[in-house]
Amino acid sequence: DGGITQSPKYLFRKEGQNVTLSCEQNLNHDAMYWYRQDPGQGLRLIYYSQIVNDFQKGDIAEGYSVSREKKESFPLTVTSAQKNPTAFYLCASSIRGGDYGYTFGWGTRLTVV
Amino acid sequence: KQEVTQIPAALSVPEGENLVLNCSFTDSAIYNLQWFRQDPGKGLTSLLLIQSSQREQTSGRLNASLDKSSGRSTLYIAASQPGDSATYLCAVRPTGGSEKLVFGKGTKLTVNP
Repeated sequence: DGGITQSPKYLFRKEGQNVTLSCEQNLNHDAMYWYRQDPGQGLRLIYYSQIVNDFQKGDIAEGYSVSREKKESFPLTVTSAQKNPTAFYLCASSIRGGDYGYTFGWGTRLTVV
Repeated sequence: KQEVTQIPAALSVPEGENLVLNCSFTDSAIYNLQWFRQDPGKGLTSLLLIQSSQREQTSGRLNASLDKSSGRSTLYIAASQPGDSATYLCAVRPTGGSEKLVFGKGTKLTVNP
């Protein structure tokens, strides 16, 4: 079945550490996205990529970094510069332009300990 | 700036009731609108996608309508079941600019047996 796989589902990070969240899709979608979800705030866009080797900042990119070396993969690194990283992270993909809607993964819950 | 509002924030109904969830958006310049379901601690599941040129979409007991000129969409759920309990999110894909979705904060639905 085609879909988006995010790993791990739960991640614990010590303060000062960088962590990387994985997102892989086998839908042959061109575009991929990372959203952050916090209680009461809705989903906010961190980064998105419309094509391999290219990506753009979203609304809350500070403290995060991404790469897009393969069409299928769009990993997100949460760096130590991110002041409040505890959140639920969702990866999504779409055919370029989003004309046919967006598909989301099952999410990664990151907790700083 | 596009803003999406969902009312009510929470809704509790007895099983078997027909119900309507509301979504409004401030800018009618959209490509499409998508309704999602989110179970606690899980990712987003796409329910219905309505293109800007369409008035409604149906899937099983779900019917979504779109009135782009007035900036409104409704999600109608017929004969509600306890398994429908979840948070329902609507999101619009604005024209122009980035490909990001703009989300409402969701309506948390509880269907009581």
